[in-house]
Order: sequence, then structure tokens, then C-alpha cells
Amino acid sequence: DGGITQSPKYLFRKEGQNVTLSCEQNLNHDAMYWYRQDPGQGLRLIYYSQIVNDFQKGDIAEGYSVSREKKESFPLTVTSAQKNPTAFYLCASSFRGQGSPLIQETQYFGPGTRLLVL
Amino acid sequence: ILNVEQSPQSLHVQEGDSTNFTCSFPSSNFYALHWYRWETAKSPEALFVMTLNGDEKKKGRISATLNTKEGYSYLYIKGSQPEDSATYLCAPVRRGFKTIFGAGTRLFVKA
Repeated sequence: DGGITQSPKYLFRKEGQNVTLSCEQNLNHDAMYWYRQDPGQGLRLIYYSQIVNDFQKGDIAEGYSVSREKKESFPLTVTSAQKNPTAFYLCASSFRGQGSPLIQETQYFGPGTRLLVL
Repeated sequence: ILNVEQSPQSLHVQEGDSTNFTCSFPSSNFYALHWYRWETAKSPEALFVMTLNGDEKKKGRISATLNTKEGYSYLYIKGSQPEDSATYLCAPVRRGFKTIFGAGTRLFVKA
């Protein structure tokens, strides 16, 4: 089955520790995204990547880093510089390429990772 | 940053009631608008995408309309069922393909 997987489902971070959230997709999508959700707020974009070996900062990139070495994978690292990391993190992907514009930008989401600070 | 407002924030209805929610957004540089449904313990799933002023989309008992000139979209659910309980996210896309998500309307349908 095609889809997006995220792991782990729950992650605990100690003070001063970097942690990495995994996101993998087998939909052959070009674009991938990381969002953060806090209670009462919409999904906020952390980073996005439109193609392998390229990524751009979103609205709240400070304290986070990403890599896109493979089309299928877009891991997110929450660094110790992120002072308020407790949140729900969603990864998504979308098709970017020739075809109907309506297909582009429809995002497909993973199940999410909840990050908690010990 | 594009400001997307969704109202109400939450809604409790009885099974069989019809309901509607609103999404408002700045109309400048508009490209498309998506509605997503996010059920508890599941991933958000795309419901509709609309691009043209006056667009209407329908999927079963759920329909949506779009007004790009005044910057709003309505989502309607006819005869709500318990399985419609979810958070409904509005996500306008600006030219340059930047998507912004609203905070969502959380719908609770009581049997």
C-alpha cells in the first residue's frame, strides 16, 4: 500500500538533546513538508522540500533542521535550540510535476509524532 | 503571513442535523483552496480542492462552495452522522504554491 509513515508515534526528549523524527513515503511524490500543531492553532510549516537535496525554511524553522538525501525520506531533527518542542508533528507529501494543477498541492499526511519533553 | 480564519472553532450537533462551517482568507494572490477532514487518531485526508470563483464541489452528504472575490468558503454537511465527527481544515494555496492551514472546525455529532 502506498502512503506516508512516521516514526516513532511518541518521542520523549531530555533537556539539551537533539531528536530526529522519521518520515518516509512511497507515493513517488516530489515535495515533502513538516508541520507542527499546537492546541488551538492551525498546522504551521517548519520546513519543506520540493526536490532531493533541496529544502526551504517555513514559517517556524528556528530550532529545527532537515535533510532530503532521498526522494522517499525527509527526516526532521529537533535541536536543543528549540526551546518549546512539545507539540504534535505531521509530515506530508504532494505531487509536483506535470499534470492537472488540482492534483498538485493536495497533501497526503502521515499519522504524526507526538514529542514530549522530560 | 496569510491569515486564515475558520468558524466556529467547535460545533456539537445531533445526528440528522445539517450544519455548515466558514473559512475566510485574504483573496489576494489566491490560487486554490483545499478542505481536509481529520478524524481522531487518523491522518488528515483531502476532501475537496477548488480554484474558481463560484466553484461548488460535492462528495456524498458533504459539499463546499468558494468565493474568491470576497475570500470565503463554506463547507456543508447534510444530515450529519456520527462518522462525520472530525476536525475540518481549510487550506488556501497562494500563487507560488504556499499552503496555509486554518485552525480547523471540530465537529461532534451525537447519535
